[in-house]
Amino acid sequence: EPEVTQTPSHQVTQMGQEVILRCVPISNHLYFYWYRQILGQKVEFLVSFYNNEISEKSEIFDDQFSVERPDGSNFTLKIRSTKLEDSAMYFCASRNRPGTGKGYDGYTFGSGTRLTVV
Amino acid sequence: QKEVEQNSGPLSVPEGAIASLNCTYSDRGSQSFFWYRQYSGKSPELIMFIYSNGDKEDGRFTAQLNKASQYVSLLIRDSQPSDSATYLCAVKGDSSYKLIFGSGTRLLVRP
Repeated sequence: EPEVTQTPSHQVTQMGQEVILRCVPISNHLYFYWYRQILGQKVEFLVSFYNNEISEKSEIFDDQFSVERPDGSNFTLKIRSTKLEDSAMYFCASRNRPGTGKGYDGYTFGSGTRLTVV
Repeated sequence: QKEVEQNSGPLSVPEGAIASLNCTYSDRGSQSFFWYRQYSGKSPELIMFIYSNGDKEDGRFTAQLNKASQYVSLLIRDSQPSDSATYLCAVKGDSSYKLIFGSGTRLLVRP
């Protein structure tokens, strides 16, 4: 079963530092996403990315956040100046064009990166 | 604000029983509905998806959708202790690719 791979699994950073979370989506997928989940809370949408540009973003995804697909395989989330409230589990997800693959447009989530800002 | 509501639980059922998990959503334009299972500290794992009104069965799982009532449910038959997890309902609108998640229902299956 193809997987979405995320690195690192856990990152500890000091407040104000920049962090880059990395994801390798499933190879034939076209749509890429970042979600986050603060401990004990809902999974929240951050951003979607298609055709090398952001297609949708939430209010959470402010100027401190950016995404990039620097090559054909990696998809990254950068937080420029981390705050304590950025501490959360960050999930990357990908999916194929609707109607392809398994016949559903559900996402495949990566195993997540736990970001701890101290 | 588009919302997805779930009872947080925990829902406790004995092994072998049927577990019934419910979800309501606010956006009438929602088109796709998903149930994810999430073990503590892990990522969501897709269990079922449903697009049309009615029931959809896959093994021990049945998803039910009623768009008129804006209601989605998941039935788990012959519940096993390994089914103990948080079950997340997620909804996708017609014009958006993002999923909106509920807060999840914690299911405990007692041996």
